[in-house]
Amino acid sequence: AQSVTQPDARVTVSEGASLQLRCKYSYSGTPYLFWYVQYPRQGLQLLLKYYSGDPVVQGVNGFEAEFSKSNSSFHLRKASVHWSDSAVYFCVLWGTNTGKLTFGDGTVLTVKP
Amino acid sequence: EAAVTQSPRNKVAVTGGKVTLSCNQTNNHNNMYWYRQDTGHGLRLIHYSYGAGSTEKGDIPDGYKASRPSQENFSLILELATPSQTSVYFCASGVRVGGDTGQLYFGEGSKLTVL
Repeated sequence: AQSVTQPDARVTVSEGASLQLRCKYSYSGTPYLFWYVQYPRQGLQLLLKYYSGDPVVQGVNGFEAEFSKSNSSFHLRKASVHWSDSAVYFCVLWGTNTGKLTFGDGTVLTVKP
Repeated sequence: EAAVTQSPRNKVAVTGGKVTLSCNQTNNHNNMYWYRQDTGHGLRLIHYSYGAGSTEKGDIPDGYKASRPSQENFSLILELATPSQTSVYFCASGVRVGGDTGQLYFGEGSKLTVL
């Protein structure tokens, strides 16, 4: 079985502060990992993806994520958040052996001005 | 740029009525998916398709049918809508090249309310 856990349902930070959104996965094979963002009344948009290689991947709008096989994690980071980053963030796992996509429940990020 | 268009964007239906949600993609992707999004459940897969003429059951297919008449179009059909099917529905498409990569392109969602 494969699973994705986003332990923080809601995160609130002040504008200009740094951000980390946590993602833990469970999968016995090689995972492909994604972070998607969903702005209000919109569909999900890809922020970044990890397939292999350098464990730190860069995404759009200054986001990056770090893959850790030993910790089974794929945390999302941003050095300085803007109010427009307020959205729901989903961590997603693609099982290369199962051919199955698994979504986390999402983290609601609120950035205070 | 990848484009997935859903219609209608908002729909109010009566219990027992038939509802069809339509999805069109201009990406020439083989794979298409229907998800529903509810608070506390994230996204759950209802049906998916690997190409024209094919439909497969996802994790929560009960009460839903799907139709893929062409590469571009994928419909979700609720023959007898119930209030429990009130939700936001997302269509997505994805490429199958040398094996799936898992990356999806999403539509903007269809909000369905069943009274």
